[in-house]
Amino acid sequence: NAGVMQNPRHLVRRRGQEARLRCSPMKGHSHVYWYRQLPEEGLKFMVYLQKENIIDESGMPKERFSAEFPKEGPSILRIQQVVRGDSAAYFCASSPQQGQDGYTFGSGTRLTVV
Amino acid sequence: SQQGEEDPQALSIQEGENATMNCSYKTSINNLQWYRQNSGRGLVHLILIRSNEREKHSGRLRVTLDTSKKSSSLLITASRAADTASYFCATDDTNDYKLSFGAGTTVTVRA
Repeated sequence: NAGVMQNPRHLVRRRGQEARLRCSPMKGHSHVYWYRQLPEEGLKFMVYLQKENIIDESGMPKERFSAEFPKEGPSILRIQQVVRGDSAAYFCASSPQQGQDGYTFGSGTRLTVV
Repeated sequence: SQQGEEDPQALSIQEGENATMNCSYKTSINNLQWYRQNSGRGLVHLILIRSNEREKHSGRLRVTLDTSKKSSSLLITASRAADTASYFCATDDTNDYKLSFGAGTTVTVRA
């Protein structure tokens, strides 16, 4: 049981480029959550997805950010035209059912925009 | 919106001492969870306490929950240098399924 796998661990992008962050949930988990952590702060909810559906994207910035969780393959968080303020750690968590207490977090992707 | 608020923001103790940190929240919850994060690393789930529980133990960890005061405390007994980390509380609201995190308490254990 490999847990929640996120890649890459570290990602450096120049301003204006695109960042693609991947998350493979734990085996048997069909619910994926993305959180963002700015330096010296706690985690902030971004989006909640199930396979092929976005359930709640209330924490996503209105522009440049999108997320998907296709039928096959990992969940992808995509940030277009990155800016310095997007620099943060992005964590993915998965759970077997909605609202269940079995959240498991990945190790995160640290995005640096230069 | 941020739900949990940890107190203190930072704590420095000697190895062997106990460390206590508190968390306050605002809404009704299903459960409250505590996580540890070592510098530059991911989150490690420590313990979960449900809204109908008042106290829970796991090894050197003791968590209390007072739903009337909307507060929780995490006690780490006989601290070790390896306990140096940031500790976050997160609430699972009754009207929601997302975890809401506080800003964390940074604990430094001096050898």
